[in-house]
Amino acid sequence: QVQLQQWGAGLLKPSETLSLSCDVSGGSFTSHYWTWIRQSPGKGLEWVGEINESGNTYYNPSLESRATISIDTSKNQFSLNLRSVTAADTATYYCARGHRRFCSGDNCYFFDYWGQGGLVTVSS
Amino acid sequence: EIALTQSPATLSVSPGEGVTLSCRASQSVSSSVAWYQQKPGQPPRLLIYGASTRASDIPARFSGSGSGTDFTLTINSLQSEDFAIYYCQHYNNWPPMYTFGQGTNLEI
Repeated sequence: QVQLQQWGAGLLKPSETLSLSCDVSGGSFTSHYWTWIRQSPGKGLEWVGEINESGNTYYNPSLESRATISIDTSKNQFSLNLRSVTAADTATYYCARGHRRFCSGDNCYFFDYWGQGGLVTVSS
Repeated sequence: EIALTQSPATLSVSPGEGVTLSCRASQSVSSSVAWYQQKPGQPPRLLIYGASTRASDIPARFSGSGSGTDFTLTINSLQSEDFAIYYCQHYNNWPPMYTFGQGTNLEI
């Protein structure tokens, strides 16, 4: 059974850097893209970005200038850094398993395993 | 950028009834559409992918359909545990981008 366990700081001041990490257990870490998704009352669910075991990343264009997703395959762990946060970045952040590498077609693109979520609040 | 509009925003129904939830794309899209169920304090749970394929361990009362701009999630014989918020999601191939609808709250 695949499990994702996430952690990171929950309270930040404006202009600080959000840092979250996600440990993956079970399943194949190298066969999928690993994803960050956030959820806020104002914007609903928002895809932040994804990474594969080779370190290839894709980001939501609205966050690309501030977001960095990294991966440590030796620890089955991936992380999100989001720089220069503002109150608009206040949200529950989820890590999730995305699509299988080299999968193509309409049946590939979904998130089947999620972390428990972590609330990040940005406030002065 | 593709936008997904879900309707209705809130739907009040009774256990045992059937419902159809709508997800409309702002332009014709591929069938890379998924549906999720979310309960308070929990992450979303995958129900449907590829517009119509049920995920593992999802009861047969959940079904998805659609193409082009209109996609639907149908739930037959609502059970008490089905009352939740439902989201649709689409994947755009290039540039890679996932988009979610704003959700439909299914309430008693």
